[in-house]
Amino acid sequence: SQKIEQNSEALNIQEGKTATLTCNYTNYSPAYLQWYRQDPGRGPVFLLLIRENEKEKRKERLKVTFDTTLKQSLFHITASQPADSATYLCALPSGNTPLVFGKGTRLSVIA
Amino acid sequence: NAGVTQTPKFRILKIGQSMTLQCTQDMNHNYMYWYRQDPGMGLKLIYYSVGAGITDKGEVPNGYNVSRSTTEDFPLRLELAAPSQTSVYFCASSYELAEETFNEQFFGPGTRLTVL
Repeated sequence: SQKIEQNSEALNIQEGKTATLTCNYTNYSPAYLQWYRQDPGRGPVFLLLIRENEKEKRKERLKVTFDTTLKQSLFHITASQPADSATYLCALPSGNTPLVFGKGTRLSVIA
Repeated sequence: NAGVTQTPKFRILKIGQSMTLQCTQDMNHNYMYWYRQDPGMGLKLIYYSVGAGITDKGEVPNGYNVSRSTTEDFPLRLELAAPSQTSVYFCASSYELAEETFNEQFFGPGTRLTVL
């Protein structure tokens, strides 16, 4: 089964900078990978899905890359704002499990 | 659309008690899921269902049961509650046409359960 590692538990950046979050997986490359945002006391909210044949996906200030050679996905937030502060979860399929989630990275954007 | 709703929001159980966590979705999604999330941990899949009458085990099914008699409802049953089941439980749903790629999951607000 897949093991997912998200680079750090917490990341602090200044407002206006680009936040880069890392998701590494250990086994076979999945057909797709998803990113979610979770605010305290709430359920996760879907942000982006990227397929294995896509190198990059963008949505407004968000960008996701998928490198099957490195077994890694990077999640970027450009021009970060305090409202972007949340926990970001990476998720991908593993065996018969539709989605396995990483522990998440807690992002704090400081004004 | 209300999306995915869960009841109750909070519950305290004594060891050995049982309860049912309710989950309903009004998006006509065929797939539904139950996850648990422990502090500082990622979500762990307990059970999921690909349609009415069909359920399958996830990563951590022990101590739980589910049923899916309708498209809308997917209750999670805890029998003989144990302190290890103290967690936040999330229900989710998605619409899937094929198994090759799974679409976004829509999550409910969660149920915070404490077993003492």
